[in-house]
Amino acid sequence: QSALTQPASVSGSPGQSITISCTGTSSDVGGYDYVSWYQQHPGKAPKLMIYEVSNRPSGVSNRFSGSKSGNTASLTVSGLQTEDEADYYCSSYTSSTTYVFGTGTKVTVL
Amino acid sequence: EVQLVQSGAEVKKPGESLKISCKGSGYSFTSYWIGWVRQMPGKGLEWMGIIYPGDSDTRYSPSFQGQVTISADKSISTAYLQWSSLKASDTAMYYCVRLGSDYQFDIWGQGTMVTVSS
Repeated sequence: QSALTQPASVSGSPGQSITISCTGTSSDVGGYDYVSWYQQHPGKAPKLMIYEVSNRPSGVSNRFSGSKSGNTASLTVSGLQTEDEADYYCSSYTSSTTYVFGTGTKVTVL
Repeated sequence: EVQLVQSGAEVKKPGESLKISCKGSGYSFTSYWIGWVRQMPGKGLEWMGIIYPGDSDTRYSPSFQGQVTISADKSISTAYLQWSSLKASDTAMYYCVRLGSDYQFDIWGQGTMVTVSS
């Protein structure tokens, strides 16, 4: 199966909001509410930020929010902070009972 | 504390075999799926496959089917990823992950770096 499509890079100034898109098909993103988002800082393991499209795990800042429309899911980071600079990946359950990751987005805080 | 602890970095030659491990603790190992994720140098995350240690039900990404073998030993709460004949293109960081009850990868291991070079 093909990777979900994300923009290669997104940038914003401190305090601003950014949104990262994650586009799949009706066999993955569009077919299930099992979309999750992960943050990865250089040299570190990824960290779960959002699950089931819009749920935040305990301990994750409420500046992070998720949504979905059709075959596209989105992650919004509000009140951008320097520590938000990282790579972000979406993931979805698929109709093949497997999983697929997005291509990844590098977030830069200007 | 719920955690996954992976085995250490490996340096191997092309054609050699390898088995890396991932030990779960702090939760019921047989009640959650464990998956493996590849990250090649400077690249993104790739989902490889998943196993349910309770009954060893295993599913693979089509991209990795036949290339690797995922297994688990529930008696010692450990999952494995193995290769029978490594290639230079297998050079990557490999993460094990726990699949939570809401289809999310909620716990990640620290990663095992595998380097394949002649």
